[in-house]
Amino acid sequence: DTAVSQTPKYLVTQMGNDKSIKCEQNLGHDTMYWYKQDSKKFLKIMFSYNNKELIINETVPNRFSPKSPDKAHLNLHINSLELGDSAVYFCASSPEGQGQTFGSGTRLTVV
Amino acid sequence: KNEVEQSPQNLTAQEGEFITINCSYSVGISALHWLQQHPGGGIVSLFMLSSGKKKHGRLIATINIQEKHSSLHITASHPRDSAVYICAVPLYGGSQGNLIFGKGTKLSVKP
Repeated sequence: DTAVSQTPKYLVTQMGNDKSIKCEQNLGHDTMYWYKQDSKKFLKIMFSYNNKELIINETVPNRFSPKSPDKAHLNLHINSLELGDSAVYFCASSPEGQGQTFGSGTRLTVV
Repeated sequence: KNEVEQSPQNLTAQEGEFITINCSYSVGISALHWLQQHPGGGIVSLFMLSSGKKKHGRLIATINIQEKHSSLHITASHPRDSAVYICAVPLYGGSQGNLIFGKGTKLSVKP
């Protein structure tokens, strides 16, 4: 009954591949987020999404795209993976205007 | 755009000591987040505060909106408090939207 669950926990893939990371929340929250934590442990927002709008961090390459089949899911698709995409990706969710609950992270390694 | 500065970057304390971690930001906000990232990588939202002070167990967070400054205090610190503590504020100010994160304060509490 994990509140925010991400799969897979680890993902190793070759450069040029397309991959997806799934995120599901069972908290009934309105907004979901994707964050990237680089090798220096610095967290950066990538996207936030509710049923009204998608807010994209302008620094995110358009190879990254969020897909939300329903309110409880926000999946992250990555096309043409590059070495620099290696990082830990965190999903989170929150009720509008309140604190966020984080998933446990997905460690992506591009080789 | 907001900028976030945290200090200190690293902090080593003896068990039982009172800990203070500081966060300052550049654009006015009405909500600030404190997060804790465990050595295993998991992220927990500790506080979201917009004014005054909040307390949860041995953790106390304060914010001064006029000074654009927040502090996180830990009373009677314990080795299990060892983690990275991260401050985050809305990227464009206000209370909502994407967050920008400080670089974190790595706390190590020795027994």
